[in-house]
Amino acid sequence: EPEVTQTPSHQVTQMGQEVILRCVPISNHLYFYWYRQILGQKVEFLVSFYNNEISEKSEIFDDQFSVERPDGSNFTLKIRSTKLEDSAMYFCASSAPDTADYEQYFGPGTRLTVT
Amino acid sequence: GQQLNQSPQSMFIQEGEDVSMNCTSSSIFNTWLWYKQDPGEGPVLLIALYKAGELTSNGRLTAQFGITRKDSFLNISASIPSDVGIYFCAGTNRDDKIIFGKGTRLHILP
Repeated sequence: EPEVTQTPSHQVTQMGQEVILRCVPISNHLYFYWYRQILGQKVEFLVSFYNNEISEKSEIFDDQFSVERPDGSNFTLKIRSTKLEDSAMYFCASSAPDTADYEQYFGPGTRLTVT
Repeated sequence: GQQLNQSPQSMFIQEGEDVSMNCTSSSIFNTWLWYKQDPGEGPVLLIALYKAGELTSNGRLTAQFGITRKDSFLNISASIPSDVGIYFCAGTNRDDKIIFGKGTRLHILP
C-alpha cells in the first residue's frame, strides 16, 4: 500500500540553525501539507501546497518557514533559523486530486529537537 | 480562529466496553474527520463525514456528523487492546486547512 515517507525520523539542531525536513508524498497525490504537533498537544496545520504554490497557511507559518517541491517526488519544509519553540513532531500529508473530501494521508513524522 | 472542543481528554475503560467521545465547535464545518494516532506515528484517518446527519461505520467504529454541523461523535464498540491510542476529531471547510481537536487518549485496563 502506498504511503507517505519522511526523513529524517529525528533531527537535533542548535538554536539558530537551518533545518530541512523532507517528505515523499504518495506518487499520484497533488495536494501536500505540513502539520506540527508539540509534544502532548494537538496536531496543528502549518501549510498546504498545490500546483507549486502555497494555497493556505496558518499564523504559525511565518517568514522563518518555507516549503518547496524541488523535483517530482520530494516536498520539503525549511526552517531558516530554528527557535527552541520549534521543537515538535512535524508531519507531512498528501491527498489525491479527486478527493475533494480531504482524505489526507499522513507520514510517520520527523521529531525536531532544538537545543 | 476556529477551535474544536474534544471530550473527554482521556478515558480508562475495561476491554470489551463500548467507548464514546465527541467534538463540538462554535463554527460550522462541512466535513468532520476522525483520526487515530499511535505512539510515534502520524494520524491515520478512521472515518470521514460529509453531510449533516450522516452516520457512518467502519468496523467497530461509528461516527456521526451532527445535524447542526457543529458537532460529531465517535463510538467504538467492544473495545480491544489495539484500540489504545489518541483519537482526534478534525473539521474542514474545504479551504485546504484541517482543524484538529486536542485528542482523546484511550487507555484500556487489563
